[in-house]
Amino acid sequence: AQSVTQPDIHITVSEGASLELRCNYSYGATPYLFWYVQSPGQGLQLLLKYFSGDTLVQGIKGFEAEFKRSQSSFNLRKPSVHWSDAAEYFCAVVPHTGTASKLTFGTGTRLQVTL
Amino acid sequence: DVKVTQSSRYLVKRTGEKVFLECVQDMDHENMFWYRQDPGLGLRLIYFSYDVKMKEKGDIPEGYSVSREKKERFSLILESASTNQTSMYLCASREESGYNSPLHFGNGTRLTVT
Repeated sequence: AQSVTQPDIHITVSEGASLELRCNYSYGATPYLFWYVQSPGQGLQLLLKYFSGDTLVQGIKGFEAEFKRSQSSFNLRKPSVHWSDAAEYFCAVVPHTGTASKLTFGTGTRLQVTL
Repeated sequence: DVKVTQSSRYLVKRTGEKVFLECVQDMDHENMFWYRQDPGLGLRLIYFSYDVKMKEKGDIPEGYSVSREKKERFSLILESASTNQTSMYLCASREESGYNSPLHFGNGTRLTVT
C-alpha cells in the first residue's frame, strides 16, 4: 500500500545540536516530497519541497532535506537547532500519478528543544 | 501574504447538532481543502474543492459535507455531530492544482463534541 512514514513520534535535542528527522515513503514511483512545520497554535507552513533534480534541497529557516531513492527516504536536517524550532514536523507526498490535490501527510514528529 | 482565516478557534457542540466550520482565503485561490488532525494520525483529507461549486471526497469524507458557493469561502458541515468528530480541523488553500503550488493553512478550529 502507498504510504508515508515518520518513524519518530517525538525527538528532543539540545539547542545548537544538529537535527535529523526521518521520512520514508512507499510508492511505485518517486512521488513529489514536502516538509511542513506546525508551530504551537498555528497552521502548517511549507519548509521545502522536492520534485526532481538535485537531491539536496534547501528550505526556509536553515532547513535542508536529502532525497535518497535507494532508501525511499527524504530526511530533514538542520546543522544547529534553535529553541524556536520546537514544533511539529510533517512529511508529505503527492504521487506522480493521479490528482495533484492528494497530498498525503505522515503522522508527524514533535521536536522539543532543550536549552 | 496569503491569509486563510478560520472563523472559530475553539468550538464546543453537542452530539447530534449540525455544525458549520467556515474558512475564507483572501488570495483568489482556486483550490481549497479541509483536513482533520489527530494525534498519531497526522493530517487526513476530508474534502477538497478545485473551484466554485466543485467538490471531491478525500480520504475520510464520511459524516461530513462541504459547500463552496463563492471562490473565497469553503465550509465544512457536520450534519449530525458525533463524539468521534472531536478533532482539530485545518483549512488550506492553493493557487492552482499544480504540484509546485504550496498549501497555505489556517490556524485551525479545535472542535469538541460532547
